Amino acid sequence: KAGVTQTPRYLIKTRGQQVTLSCSPISGHRSVSWYQQTPGQGLQFLFEYFSETQRNKGNFPGRFSGRQFSNSRSEMNVSTLELGDSALYLCASSPRRQGNSGANVLTFGAGSRLTVL
Amino acid sequence: DAKTTQPPSMDCAEGRAANLPCNHSTISGNEYVYWYRQIHSQGPQYIIHGLKNNETNEMASLIITEDRKSSTLILPHATLRDTAVYYCIVRVLGGGADGLTFGKGTHLIIQP
Repeated sequence: KAGVTQTPRYLIKTRGQQVTLSCSPISGHRSVSWYQQTPGQGLQFLFEYFSETQRNKGNFPGRFSGRQFSNSRSEMNVSTLELGDSALYLCASSPRRQGNSGANVLTFGAGSRLTVL
Repeated sequence: DAKTTQPPSMDCAEGRAANLPCNHSTISGNEYVYWYRQIHSQGPQYIIHGLKNNETNEMASLIITEDRKSSTLILPHATLRDTAVYYCIVRVLGGGADGLTFGKGTHLIIQP
């Protein structure tokens, strides 16, 4: 079955611009989580969406936002880009909402690599 | 989630077993040990998880000590494609509400 698909894979923006990244989860998966990976901070949780609602949020400023559609596809948006937003943005899907009982294994996409100049 | 400690890097010869240790001395009774790996330029990949019994799947084996304060991930016959960063994560079943906590992991290098 198809895995988690993220688009675009690579993009370059300039400071002050905004960017939208897309994630298509595995069919049947209703939870989509987003992570940011940088060399300095490693992998950090951004937020999770389940049933079109943001359920959990990491410690990131309000410039980072997202949404989920009825087909479970998700987008994340970063406004007023800063140089420090350069990172690999990873999307992960799972059948259940994070925090529910039961084994909850995340399947990650290949990521979208954002470079801010 | 309990804190984990892993060596920053390890080498292993191709074809040999790769044994990756993880220390989680503050693990609580309802926390599982999960392993993920990340091959360069790809997203993390789930490998295996367990509570207290040893676990095996098609990718690896997980050995958890009786006191659960440490564990070892075993790749039985390492190949060059197993070169990756391996993350040991301790977490309640189903996870907490704040996402996975990835540390710095162990960079495993398989030597030809």
